[in-house]
Amino acid sequence: RKEVEQDPGPFNVPEGATVAFNCTYSNSASQSFFWYRQDCRKEPKLLMSVYSSGNEDGRFTAQLNRASQYISLLIRDSKLSDSATYLCVVPLSGNTPLVFGKGTRLSVIA
Amino acid sequence: DVKVTQSSRYLVKRTGEKVFLECVQDMDHENMFWYRQDPGLGLRLIYFSYDVKMKEKGDIPEGYSVSREKKERFSLILESASTNQTSMYLCASSFGGGASGELFFGEGSRLTVL
Repeated sequence: RKEVEQDPGPFNVPEGATVAFNCTYSNSASQSFFWYRQDCRKEPKLLMSVYSSGNEDGRFTAQLNRASQYISLLIRDSKLSDSATYLCVVPLSGNTPLVFGKGTRLSVIA
Repeated sequence: DVKVTQSSRYLVKRTGEKVFLECVQDMDHENMFWYRQDPGLGLRLIYFSYDVKMKEKGDIPEGYSVSREKKERFSLILESASTNQTSMYLCASSFGGGASGELFFGEGSRLTVL
């Protein structure tokens, strides 16, 4: 299994839709997980951190399933401004740098 | 406001030239990183540093070197640029205490090697 794996998409959804992305990781010892957002031609920026079972921030919910080694990102009531690439990020072990997935591209269509 | 500044947004160099990419952060972060990002390959770690004068190889260090003489500055050096080093280069920094802190990225340096 690759260290961090994501469906590249693109996911094309209408405004107002609910969309979910999954990310699988290989290291069962990983403790913390992150979702970064990258707009076209911009740098990645932290969207959410996931340290236990999950995290919710407004329309965004991140969930962790340790048994199956995946994290998910759910976006409710999609907005045009949600169009971006979403990067799943996992540390392999305590002091090693974060490993980035290749990203899932989302396009929200009017 | 947190800031990571990369010296050049766009560079065009010729094969064999020596290239310096500079990165400065103003957050007093211990950790600094250099990534390259290519379509279909995502972000790949080139080198990183957890302290001044310290450096560690990432996943793809071949053809690159780094320098960290001061805490706030982390430089990426291409000793002899090649066309396969045409890419977007992203510098990032994070607070110390392990590698799991939030990464703050610069705006990127797009390098074209002819």
